[in-house]
Amino acid sequence: NAGVTQTPKFRILKIGQSMTLQCAQDMNHNYMYWYRQDPGMGLKLIYYSVGAGITDKGEVPNGYNVSRSTTEDFPLRLELAAPSQTSVYFCASSFGQGGNTIYFGEGSWLTVV
Amino acid sequence: GNSVTQMEGPVTLSEEAFLTINCTYTATGYPSLFWYVQYPGEGLQLLLKATKADDKGSNKGFEATYRKETTSFHLEKGSVQVSDSAVYFCALREVSGGYNKLIFGAGTRLAVHP
Repeated sequence: NAGVTQTPKFRILKIGQSMTLQCAQDMNHNYMYWYRQDPGMGLKLIYYSVGAGITDKGEVPNGYNVSRSTTEDFPLRLELAAPSQTSVYFCASSFGQGGNTIYFGEGSWLTVV
Repeated sequence: GNSVTQMEGPVTLSEEAFLTINCTYTATGYPSLFWYVQYPGEGLQLLLKATKADDKGSNKGFEATYRKETTSFHLEKGSVQVSDSAVYFCALREVSGGYNKLIFGAGTRLAVHP
């Protein structure tokens, strides 16, 4: 079972460059999420989606954009990379609400120099 | 708003020692509570969860009890192993605007030595 798949795993960007972090899940989950994890900190929610065509901002959305054209895919776009966006990014998904388990991808390590 | 507070790490233990990692939360209502574990170089994995007061979640020898009266969800294990070395995150599920999201604590790093 693939679960939640993120690419790339590692990336170095120069200030001002753009890139897209890809995320795909094969569990037919309606909820998908993007989190960032800064050193020594917990995860902060960037954006989330409750289904295809529906996205909403989390705690720290500035500098990012998302889209959800299909149930499976939830890419995260960085338009003008800044050093403050150096972080580890986690994509996650879940089915429905309540106590259902949220499944995480393995993370994408991004460094902006 | 809702929040989760964990004890600061790192926690360093010898193999077979008893482990407690404290977690307290602030929330309206009674959210579901979770412990996630992150092994080096990997993503987060659900370790255990509890969805209502007095529930006990357990997995791989770890336990945590949902204590409404103290708003706590402390993680315990009777005898840790080197393979338990990881970062542990306490989290609560928040329902906002009809949608559910996880609120995480800062994480506690555990290092177990032989």
